[in-house]
Amino acid sequence: QTVVTQEPSFSVSPGGTVTLTCALSSGSVSTSYYPSWYQQTPGQAPRTLIYSTNTRSSGVPDRFSGSILGNKAALTITGAQADDESDYYCVLYMASGISVFGGGTKLTVL
Amino acid sequence: QVQLQESGPGLVKPSETLSLTCTVSGGSISVYYWSWIRQPPGKGLEWIGYIYYRGSTNYNPSLKSRVTISVDTSKSQFSLKLSSVTAADTAVYYCARVVPHSYHFDYWGQGTLVTVSS
Repeated sequence: QTVVTQEPSFSVSPGGTVTLTCALSSGSVSTSYYPSWYQQTPGQAPRTLIYSTNTRSSGVPDRFSGSILGNKAALTITGAQADDESDYYCVLYMASGISVFGGGTKLTVL
Repeated sequence: QVQLQESGPGLVKPSETLSLTCTVSGGSISVYYWSWIRQPPGKGLEWIGYIYYRGSTNYNPSLKSRVTISVDTSKSQFSLKLSSVTAADTAVYYCARVVPHSYHFDYWGQGTLVTVSS
C-alpha cells in the first residue's frame, strides 16, 4: 500500500516563506510521479495550484511554486498572505495508473 | 468554462449501493479522464477512480471490489456506484476532470454530501 505523507500542520507569519513537502512511504518522489498540489478552504472544493511538479495553474499567483527538494515534492509559498490559510494536498500519480493523495497540511498564517 | 455538477441521493442505507452522476457542461467529455474523489467529514481527500472517455477504468485498490465507474458520452455524464456501503463511506463526493499526460485534476464539481445511515 503506497502512503503519501505531508506535514499535518504548519505555521507561517504574514509575509514569510513556507515550504510544504510530499513524501513517499517507500522511495523518492521524482517528476515521474507528476506531483500536483491543491488548496482547499472549509466548505469549498479543492483548487488546483501546481501540476507536473512546477507548473502553475491558470490564475495562481507566482508566490506559489513547486519543486522537487531532495526526495520529496515541495510547495513553497513566498510572501504568505492571510488568505493562504487553508489545507494543502499533494497528489502523486503512480506507475500502476492510480493516484494517491497525501494526508494534507493545515497551514496557519499568523 | 467547463463545469461539473454532481447529483444523486444524499442519504443511503447501510449495505445498499451509493449511486452518483456527474454532468459535464461547457466542454467535451472526449479526450479527458474523469474522476471521483471523496472526503469524509473533517478528514482528507481520497481518490476513488478514473474513467477514460472511451470507457477504460482504474480504481483505488482499497475500494476496487466495491466500485464501478461508467461513462455516457451522449449525455456528457459519468457515474459512480459504490456497493455495500457502511457509515465509513459517509463523505462529500467530488467529481473532477483529469488532464491526460499530467494526470492532475483541473476542474472540480462543488461536491455532494452522501450520508450512510439507516
